[in-house]
Amino acid sequence: GAVVSQHPSWVICKSGTSVKIECRSLDFQATTMFWYRQFPKQSLMLMATSNEGSKATYEQGVEKDKFLINHASLTLSTLTVTSAHPEDSSFYICSARDPTGFSYEQYFGPGTRLTVT
Amino acid sequence: AQSVTQPDIHITVSEGASLELRCNYSYGATPYLFWYVQSPGQGLQLLLKYFSGDTLVQGIKGFEAEFKRSQSSFNLRKPSVHWSDAAEYFCAVGAKNAGNMLTFGGGTRLMVKP
Repeated sequence: GAVVSQHPSWVICKSGTSVKIECRSLDFQATTMFWYRQFPKQSLMLMATSNEGSKATYEQGVEKDKFLINHASLTLSTLTVTSAHPEDSSFYICSARDPTGFSYEQYFGPGTRLTVT
Repeated sequence: AQSVTQPDIHITVSEGASLELRCNYSYGATPYLFWYVQSPGQGLQLLLKYFSGDTLVQGIKGFEAEFKRSQSSFNLRKPSVHWSDAAEYFCAVGAKNAGNMLTFGGGTRLMVKP
């Protein structure tokens, strides 16, 4: 149980275009999902916390207009990188919290590698 | 705010040798502590977690970790390392006053020599 999927697993886009990444909880309903960014050989940095039916909470320094997060249902959160630039190239990982389980445990997706050319 | 430090960026051990990965945290109350493993290009897999009770926690793949409040540590151990254990390991702390968010350490890259 507690499986989280991400789609796509990798994407290449041209500078100036937008790209959407989906995060799905497959066997539980996730009221809260988290989006992380990971640079090569570095740790995970929390970008935002996404709560179903409400606006996402962004961490300091994360541009909310650039990284649009939508959590429209209990099983799906999306991250849209708008007007992507090469510096947005990174590994993006989502996680989801199962509200019926231990409240601080997060289940992680496999990640999405974004390359902006 | 809570923080996590993993002092060792890289560790190399021989297959079959024992392993200890260090993790130190900073938090005012009892933290919730986690160890995750990440293979290249993959997401994170939970190895074990501590939130209360017995300070020695058993996890998957033969890993264990011990919570030592006096040392603010939660070190990960394995008695005999296998080549498949080569990966990146992250320690994380969760805190009640931080809205369920996790704070991750910088990670330790484990390499296993044959």
